[in-house]
Amino acid sequence: DQQVKQNSPSLSVQEGRISILNCDYTNSMFDYFLWYKKYPAEGPTFLISISSIKDKNEDGRFTVFLNKSAKHLSLHIVPSQPGDSAVYFCAATRLSDSWGKLQFGAGTQVVVTP
Amino acid sequence: DAGVIQSPRHEVTEMGQEVTLRCKPISGHNSLFWYRQTMMRGLELLIYFNNNVPIDDSGMPEDRFSAKMPNASFSTLKIQPSEPRDSAVYFCASSLLDTSQHFGDGTRLSIL
Repeated sequence: DQQVKQNSPSLSVQEGRISILNCDYTNSMFDYFLWYKKYPAEGPTFLISISSIKDKNEDGRFTVFLNKSAKHLSLHIVPSQPGDSAVYFCAATRLSDSWGKLQFGAGTQVVVTP
Repeated sequence: DAGVIQSPRHEVTEMGQEVTLRCKPISGHNSLFWYRQTMMRGLELLIYFNNNVPIDDSGMPEDRFSAKMPNASFSTLKIQPSEPRDSAVYFCASSLLDTSQHFGDGTRLSIL
């Protein structure tokens, strides 16, 4: 069963605009969340993370928001750039007992158009 | 810095053949993960090791799949016999204590 869900398989956005990627999870025990970015023919690379004790984490153009009550997180990219075109994976884990085991969503393909 | 190294990058073989995928984790990392990526199921965790010991292999789809980590710098994922439905991209990742896993570039496996 998918404990982490990304319901939008794709997203198209104009350069300079905001990209908003969504992720929902079902396991209330998850306490750490990550976003990975993946280019074709490469492995996923870590982008940004957030602990469940926070509701927002920002790193440059990337901000992740966490709504624990809704079991929902989102990634905002602003402004979007052509180099942001990639597949974005949401992942979740329980730090205390998982040895770093991550549950991944199915991914969202982002296309940034000029 | 050398990242996670996977070989081969591409493998095409006929069904029934044995397939061995290899992974060299980042030096010093103590956890190693094998994933499979398909269109239908996204990124699935197959098995992971901590300090060379398998911790959870519940994601391994069938007995045809096996994984070993004989030392801290090498791991293999073997499929025997291979079937067309095993065609996918297989990723290896490693980490140290925290959860920021570092992925290799994957092996694209095609079983004919």
